Amino acid sequence: DAGVIQSPRHEVTEMGQEVTLRCKPISGHNSLFWYRQTMMRGLELLIYFNNNVPIDDSGMPEDRFSAKMPNASFSTLKIQPSEPRDSAVYFCASSSGTGGGGNTIYFGEGSWLTVV
Amino acid sequence: SQQGEEDPQALSIQEGENATMNCSYKTSINNLQWYRQNSGRGLVHLILIRSNEREKHSGRLRVTLDTSKKSSSLLITASRAADTASYFCAPGGNQFYFGTGTSLTVIP
Repeated sequence: DAGVIQSPRHEVTEMGQEVTLRCKPISGHNSLFWYRQTMMRGLELLIYFNNNVPIDDSGMPEDRFSAKMPNASFSTLKIQPSEPRDSAVYFCASSSGTGGGGNTIYFGEGSWLTVV
Repeated sequence: SQQGEEDPQALSIQEGENATMNCSYKTSINNLQWYRQNSGRGLVHLILIRSNEREKHSGRLRVTLDTSKKSSSLLITASRAADTASYFCAPGGNQFYFGTGTSLTVIP
């Protein structure tokens, strides 16, 4: 299996621009997670989908952030408008179930976002 | 939440020494997992220990779990430079919450 695939790997954009990050989870996985990692705040869970439905988006920092999962094989995280403080590494991850069920979560390689 | 808190935040040892890092959590769990993150990469699963297990081994890794104290430890024996990474624990829950991790540096 190719693993979790994220794109783009690196993006540099100007403040105010729209940023769209993409993720293809591992085939057969029904849980998908978006994380943001910074030195200051560590690894933050932004949103969790189960069977394509957003279950918990309490980690989404503000209305500028939105996430969708139109089907089982694709998800997007959009930032509009972007701000310099959004600069971070954004990870997508997928799992065949919950951590409580003893399932493993698989991470993509991340999308490195720099907003100038 | 089910977030674990790793301790220490940073650890620096010589190659060949053992490295121990700890994880504390707040709610009852069915299992706890440890993950490793190499610089610039995503997290990778290392080992899972279930709540009815007190200790588990995998190669040079040894994990303990004390459910009464709500804590776990990860021991890496005979460390190598390639073990340099950040290590995170994830107490079993519906979501996977991670703390800030322990940054391990193994000096050759």
